[in-house]
Amino acid sequence: AQRVTQPEKLLSVFKGAPVELKCNYSYSGSPELFWYVQYSRQRLQLLLRHISRESIKGFTADLNKGETSFHLKKPFAQEEDSAMYYCALNTGNQFYFGTGTSLTVIP
Amino acid sequence: KAGVTQTPRYLIKTRGQQVTLSCSPISGHRSVSWYQQTPGQGLQFLFEYFSETQRNKGNFPGRFSGRQFSNSRSEMNVSTLELGDSALYLCASSLGTSGNSYEQYFGPGTRLTVT
Repeated sequence: AQRVTQPEKLLSVFKGAPVELKCNYSYSGSPELFWYVQYSRQRLQLLLRHISRESIKGFTADLNKGETSFHLKKPFAQEEDSAMYYCALNTGNQFYFGTGTSLTVIP
Repeated sequence: KAGVTQTPRYLIKTRGQQVTLSCSPISGHRSVSWYQQTPGQGLQFLFEYFSETQRNKGNFPGRFSGRQFSNSRSEMNVSTLELGDSALYLCASSLGTSGNSYEQYFGPGTRLTVT
């Protein structure tokens, strides 16, 4: 069963516009959620995790247990945000990754 | 400090052959996880090793196996290769296991093509 769903494969926004990358998860236990990012020709790297409740590069993500969502948001997109974004769920036994959303920020 | 390294970076094999991929974690990291990345399925967890012991295993056939050495380096083996095994294989290291919620650091991957 798909544990992590990222409904948008591709997302394009204009520079300066708000951006939201959606992530929904399926897990009956206490979830631990992450966002990973892969910039062009770079390695997959951690962007943020929900337990830190911090903002990284202007991005935030709030865990909504009622809606089982962990959407990634940024109020003003920048060109350097163009990348592949993966939502990930850690169940304590393994990580489940979504299929990713490719974000393009149009200048 | 040096990041996670994976060798080889590219590999071409034919069906029925076997292949061994190698991963060297960041110094001090004792956990290594392996993932298969394909366009249709995204990243799928293969297995996790910690202190030379397999801690967790994903839903892959027994043709996929791995091991970890005392220096934390890990190898992954795929026997009797199938066309569908063509993928990018990623290795990630962390200080602790997934049960400890340590950050994972990914390597550049090994691109395996099976013909």
